[in-house]
Amino acid sequence: DAMVIQNPRYQVTQFGKPVTLSCSQTLNHNVMYWYQQKSSQAPKLLFHYYDKDFNNEADTPDNFQSRRPNTSFCFLDIRSPGLGDAAMYLCATSRERAGNSNQPQHFGDGTRLSIL
Amino acid sequence: AQKVTQAQTEISVVEKEDVTLDCVYETRDTTYYLFWYKQPPSGELVFLIRRNSFDEQNEISGRYSWNFQKSTSSFNFTITASQVVDSAVYFCALSRGDSNYQLIWGAGTKLIIKP
Repeated sequence: DAMVIQNPRYQVTQFGKPVTLSCSQTLNHNVMYWYQQKSSQAPKLLFHYYDKDFNNEADTPDNFQSRRPNTSFCFLDIRSPGLGDAAMYLCATSRERAGNSNQPQHFGDGTRLSIL
Repeated sequence: AQKVTQAQTEISVVEKEDVTLDCVYETRDTTYYLFWYKQPPSGELVFLIRRNSFDEQNEISGRYSWNFQKSTSSFNFTITASQVVDSAVYFCALSRGDSNYQLIWGAGTKLIIKP
């Protein structure tokens, strides 16, 4: 059974029209991440939550926001999508952020976002 | 600076051949972790293995094996008797021992297994 669930798998929006992608997890992990992955590239971390503590990467555009209302859910909001925002968006979780065990990140199936 | 290099952009082999995916990393940390992830065409990233810098033992899991050599800063991945289902992009990644959240990713190697 999927433990990190992303909805929808495919999302089409119009240029400039706000869009929200969702992620839920059944692992009860403390940390949730959002990545952007463009074609033939490695994933790029946008931000992460450690519990309710939000951490933005320095080069993440202001156009991207996130919300984590509870442990299980995390949302990615793109306020005014541009053509350059078309990509796969991946959600991931891990039990802890730092520590000796360095648990792996578990990924969802991703949402492929298209901009018309 | 930390860096992961996967020099092989794409590899194509015929089914049942063995194939090795190379991963070379750079770090000044004494404690770090190395990972391999598989990304099939459907898009999800599947965790394959984690190895910490103090454990140089090679690992075998079915047809998959990993060779970690600190002397050459390499963490190579071998698939024995490849199958069509192994076709995917494989990413090698590095994280610091004190920070799980930042993964330094290689560019990925696209593996094509022909029937």
